[in-house]
Amino acid sequence: GAVVSQHPSWVICKSGTSVKIECRSLDFQATTMFWYRQFPKQSLMLMATSNEGSKATYEQGVEKDKFLINHASLTLSTLTVTSAHPEDSSFYICSAGPPGLAGGHQETQYFGPGTRLLVL
Amino acid sequence: GQNIDQPTEMTATEGAIVQINCTYQTSGFNGLFWYQQHAGEAPTFLSYNVLDGLEEKGRFSSFLSRSKGYSYLLLKELQMKDSASYLCALSGGSYIPTFGRGTSLIVHP
Repeated sequence: GAVVSQHPSWVICKSGTSVKIECRSLDFQATTMFWYRQFPKQSLMLMATSNEGSKATYEQGVEKDKFLINHASLTLSTLTVTSAHPEDSSFYICSAGPPGLAGGHQETQYFGPGTRLLVL
Repeated sequence: GQNIDQPTEMTATEGAIVQINCTYQTSGFNGLFWYQQHAGEAPTFLSYNVLDGLEEKGRFSSFLSRSKGYSYLLLKELQMKDSASYLCALSGGSYIPTFGRGTSLIVHP
């Protein structure tokens, strides 16, 4: 099946710093990638939809200036958590689907392994 | 909007059968996913139901009733490694799935 990678898998940072998380589709091109956040014992919450070559679409309540998303190529999307605070500590997961997911043909998403962020 | 409800936690015995239920309300429906998520890991795809009925895939089966807004995941011949969280996810009008809170399954010897 398709493979999606994330880097780093773990990051610990000081409050006020920025953290960049990369999401790569390794064996397919993804025009659309998705960023989720999951707190302990909670559901995956969609943060934003990352669109290659255009601006990301953010879900209600997600600050676009705090969570910067760049989808510069068909295989790479990045999420930058700016001025991180302890409440941003969470499990961040990206996913991507083969072409057709956003075009109306239902395909399964392939999830990256996740990035655990701890802000001190 | 969408609303998904599934039990928070279930326990079962190794070798047994367990059924995890998911009920939902939605204004648009494309399909329903089930994912398995082990602690600290990303979800892995288990099944996707579009039409009513039961779909079997090895030890795992998934059932859907669109008229009742109901699905279940059936796990047979439980193994210890099946201890995980099972997420019901609904694909509505936007095709982007909305996830339930997940059911934590504990399999004991």
